[in-house]
Amino acid sequence: EIVLTQSPATLSLSPGERATLSCRASQSISDYLAWYQQRPGQAPRLLIYDASNRATGVPARFSGSGSGTDFTLTISSLEPEDFAVYYCQQRTNGLTFGGGTKVEI
Amino acid sequence: EGQLLESGGGLVQPGGSLRLSCAATGFLSSNYAISWVRQAPGKGLDWVSGISGSGGTTYYADSVKGRFTISRDKSKNSVSLQMNNLRREDAAVYYCARVAPCSGGSCYRRYYFDQWGRGTLVAVSS
Repeated sequence: EIVLTQSPATLSLSPGERATLSCRASQSISDYLAWYQQRPGQAPRLLIYDASNRATGVPARFSGSGSGTDFTLTISSLEPEDFAVYYCQQRTNGLTFGGGTKVEI
Repeated sequence: EGQLLESGGGLVQPGGSLRLSCAATGFLSSNYAISWVRQAPGKGLDWVSGISGSGGTTYYADSVKGRFTISRDKSKNSVSLQMNNLRREDAAVYYCARVAPCSGGSCYRRYYFDQWGRGTLVAVSS
């Protein structure tokens, strides 16, 4: 089973700043990775699939990159509603989520 | 786009059973694979079980194998999760999630959740 390690655990930023979140896989998963956003008290929401494709309705300020074992989610300019927890997920070997990165003010 | 709605959560003693249900509206659930994903209080996401659109293939996390059973009820457009021999560590919010349609190959690996329910809370305590 592949382990996904997200860093940092917490990212403290201000609205308008750029956020860079990392997800590292314990073995290569090509570009088969998704990112989700979870706001407090809500269900997760799919943001990015296949490492770099935005899901329907996701704003262009969200972008994903990477392949193999190292992946990045970038939020170009944080809006108030972007302060949330972000998870990466794979299903190449087992189905696993990363531990999450909390983006806080 | 459709929605998913979970039900059946509650308080159960260790060793007890619960049956969760996930009802789909606005789309035919048998056209999609569906999974259950749980989240313990203050913790991250933990995949539990999945079922193919046809219902012919099921998957389980090692932690629940032999105790949980996932199934489809096509007449009710729903997916159920029968949970037996519950443990304290099974306590969580349980979400059902729809797997996004896949085309072009590598669909086993391109298994992403594009629609989630609001979740149902399972508490395990004596």
